[in-house]
Amino acid sequence: EIVLTQSPATLSLSPGERATLSCRASQSVSSSLAWYQQKPGQAPRLLIYDASNRATGIPARFSGSGSGTDFTLTISSLEPEDFAVYYCQQRSNWPLSFGGGTKVEIK
Amino acid sequence: EVQLLESGGGLVQPGGSLRLSCAASGFTFSSYAMSWVRQAPGKGLEWVSAISGGGGTTFYADSVKGRFAISRDNSKNTLYLQVNSLRAEDTAVYYCAKAPSGYYSLFDYWGQGTLVTVSS
Repeated sequence: EIVLTQSPATLSLSPGERATLSCRASQSVSSSLAWYQQKPGQAPRLLIYDASNRATGIPARFSGSGSGTDFTLTISSLEPEDFAVYYCQQRSNWPLSFGGGTKVEIK
Repeated sequence: EVQLLESGGGLVQPGGSLRLSCAASGFTFSSYAMSWVRQAPGKGLEWVSAISGGGGTTFYADSVKGRFAISRDNSKNTLYLQVNSLRAEDTAVYYCAKAPSGYYSLFDYWGQGTLVTVSS
């Protein structure tokens, strides 16, 4: 099973600041990595798929990069609605797996 | 508009069983792979099981293999998860999720979830 490790666990930032979230895989997943956003009491929402492709309706301030084992989600300028938990997910191998999440909180 | 509505959760004793359902609308259900993903209270996401559009191919997480069974009825636009031999660690919100066209193991729409609580 591929283990995804997200860092940091918590990111404390102010609106307008840049957020950089990391996801590291225990073995190569090529570009088969996605990012999701989850707000309290809500289902997750797909943000990025195949490492760098924004899902439908996702603002341009969200971008993804990386391949192999190291991936990054960047939020260029945090909006109030971006404070949430973010998960990465690999679809390279079965069983599918998620990272443990990064909480982006208001500083 | 794509809608996924889960039901069937509840309180069950250890060793018990439930059948979770996910009613789908707003898309051609039989054309898309579907999955179940769960989230224990205050914890992260855990993929549970996936099924192809036609229902002939299924996948399971090791933690549920042999205890859970995914299925679908394309004539009723409904996804199911039969959960047996339940343990305390199966307590979670169970989400059904749809895969995008051309993908099997990605989730572009999610339901709001149904809570399963395993406790005596």
